[in-house]
Amino acid sequence: DIQMTQSPSSLSASVGDRVTITCRASQSISSYLNWYQQKPGKAPKLLIYAASSLQSGVPSRFSGSGSGTDLTLTISSLQPEDFATYYCQQTYNIPPTFGQGTKLEVK
Amino acid sequence: QVQLVESGGGVVQPGRSLRLSCAASGFTFSSYGMHWVRQAPGKGLEWMATISYDGSYKYYADSVKGRFTISRDNSKNTLYLQMNSLRTEDTAVYYCAKDPAICSAGTCYNWFDPWGQGTLVTVSS
Repeated sequence: DIQMTQSPSSLSASVGDRVTITCRASQSISSYLNWYQQKPGKAPKLLIYAASSLQSGVPSRFSGSGSGTDLTLTISSLQPEDFATYYCQQTYNIPPTFGQGTKLEVK
Repeated sequence: QVQLVESGGGVVQPGRSLRLSCAASGFTFSSYGMHWVRQAPGKGLEWMATISYDGSYKYYADSVKGRFTISRDNSKNTLYLQMNSLRTEDTAVYYCAKDPAICSAGTCYNWFDPWGQGTLVTVSS
């Protein structure tokens, strides 16, 4: 199975900050990488698919980049509603695996 | 709009069975693969099972292989997860999700969107 490791596991930031979350795969996954946002008590919500494609309706301050083993999610200017937990997911092969999550908290 | 609604969760004793359902609406259910994902309390996301659009292909996580069965009824727009021989470690919120999948030149990109609201399964004596 492909192991997905996110860093950092937690992050404190302020409104307006630029934030980057990294996802490292145990082997190359090309661009088969998705990013989800989850708020407490809610289902995950798709933000980015295929490494860099912005899901419809998601604000443009979210962006994804990279390919191979190191991929990133960037939030260009944090908004109050962005404080949540973020997960990466590889769909290069089965089983599709998730990172452990990055909890983004208010500084 | 696309909507997925899970049901069937509850409290069950170890070793017993439970069947979850996921009612789909707002899209042509019979055209899309579907997934089950679970999340134990305070933990991350864990993929459980995948079924192809017509039910001909099924895949399972090792942790549930032989105990859980994914199925679908395209005439009822409903996805199922039959869970047998439940263990305390199966306690989690179970989500269903649609796989929009885009394929080109023999390559398919898959992702999970949207997700249902989840249904809680508690395995406890």
